[in-house]
Amino acid sequence: DVKVTQSSRYLVKRTGEKVFLECVQDMDHENMFWYRQDPGLGLRLIYFSYDVKMKEKGDIPEGYSVSREKKERFSLILESASTNQTSMYLCASSLFQGKAFFGQGTRLTVV
Amino acid sequence: GIQVEQSPPDLILQEGANSTLRCNFSDSVNNLQWFHQNPWGQLINLFYIPSGTKQNGRLSATTVATERYSLLYISSSQTTDSGVYFCAVTLTLKYTGANSKLTFGKGITLSVRP
Repeated sequence: DVKVTQSSRYLVKRTGEKVFLECVQDMDHENMFWYRQDPGLGLRLIYFSYDVKMKEKGDIPEGYSVSREKKERFSLILESASTNQTSMYLCASSLFQGKAFFGQGTRLTVV
Repeated sequence: GIQVEQSPPDLILQEGANSTLRCNFSDSVNNLQWFHQNPWGQLINLFYIPSGTKQNGRLSATTVATERYSLLYISSSQTTDSGVYFCAVTLTLKYTGANSKLTFGKGITLSVRP
């Protein structure tokens, strides 16, 4: 089975800190995604990547950046964390237009 | 961008009842997927169904791409079916990046009572 692993299950950071969320997949998938999930808003796409070093903005990229230096790893970066970035962050991967698989999620709290 | 709407937003069932969850989308899509999010937050892919009908145990799904909707059927519901159900689509567009974008609806919260 496909495994998508997020580096942390829970994270607490201070306002203004630079935060790195890491995601690794083991199935040689081209696509990787970062979403945030907030009550009543569903899953909103922050950034996605369809190949190494290729990235595209999703629907809510402001305040975030990403890095994909290797095919298996996709990192989400909060340049200067703010309290409105407190959320559940979900990483997913898939083959091109294929079935998507999710990691277990990272619940980030910014204080 | 594409709009993905799910209905109803909330659903409460008695154990053993059947239900139908609906997903409408506003544009032509290459694929459609249904997910279940359990109470611990993990999203599980239930169906990859760009068109036609598929069955998996008590669950089945039908997508009518020409009419831009998909249905998820749950029969003989169990308390373990509780959680949030999402549908997600990928658009039919020309360049590789846009073709990869996976857009979700807001989800349907299902509660199955014993």
